Amino acid sequence: GQNIDQPTEMTATEGAIVQINCTYQTSGFNGLFWYQQHAGEAPTFLSYNVLDGLEEKGRFSSFLSRSKGYSYLLLKELQMKDSASYLCAVIDSNYQLIWGAGTKLIIKP
Amino acid sequence: GAGVSQSPRYKVAKRGQDVALRCDPISGHVSLFWYQQALGQGPEFLTYFQNEAQLDKSGLPSDRFFAERPEGSVSTLKIQRTQQEDSAVYLCASSLMGVAYNEQFFGPGTRLTVL
Repeated sequence: GQNIDQPTEMTATEGAIVQINCTYQTSGFNGLFWYQQHAGEAPTFLSYNVLDGLEEKGRFSSFLSRSKGYSYLLLKELQMKDSASYLCAVIDSNYQLIWGAGTKLIIKP
Repeated sequence: GAGVSQSPRYKVAKRGQDVALRCDPISGHVSLFWYQQALGQGPEFLTYFQNEAQLDKSGLPSDRFFAERPEGSVSTLKIQRTQQEDSAVYLCASSLMGVAYNEQFFGPGTRLTVL
């Protein structure tokens, strides 16, 4: 079967750095997305990785290792507004997007 | 510019009632996706259109669920004889082209509650 694993919940302090991990076992791989979803709102795009390595975009960076079936989202200089769920999603060999359950990130002052 | 819109935003239905959920994608977006999201879970794929063609409906949970996009723009997700387990947020997303390499833009969702 297809599986995306993320921690259910993480807590971090305002101004700090947090890394949210995602491991996947899917039938094929054609890319990995990270989305942010605030409570009661729609997911919004953060990043897309299809090659190994680190993609940096402002305070957010995303890393991919295809051989390990592993990705992480790194958030720096955390702000209270970063409190949200972070969803990892993988495109499988059928070009279907398989979603993780999301990691709820709680930021404390 | 306008993003993806969905209507209604909230729908309460009695068990057994039929419902229709509407999605207006971003103009010019070829691909349109429907997802079902339960509380505290990630979106679950329901179906995918490329223009007016429904290319994948493998995620539709039963034959009570039907989706269409007759003119390749607006899409409707219809649920017949609703059941309590259909209660969820139904998200619509569109992208410029296909699944790969293309960011999906999500609408605000329709929260369906079946009593």
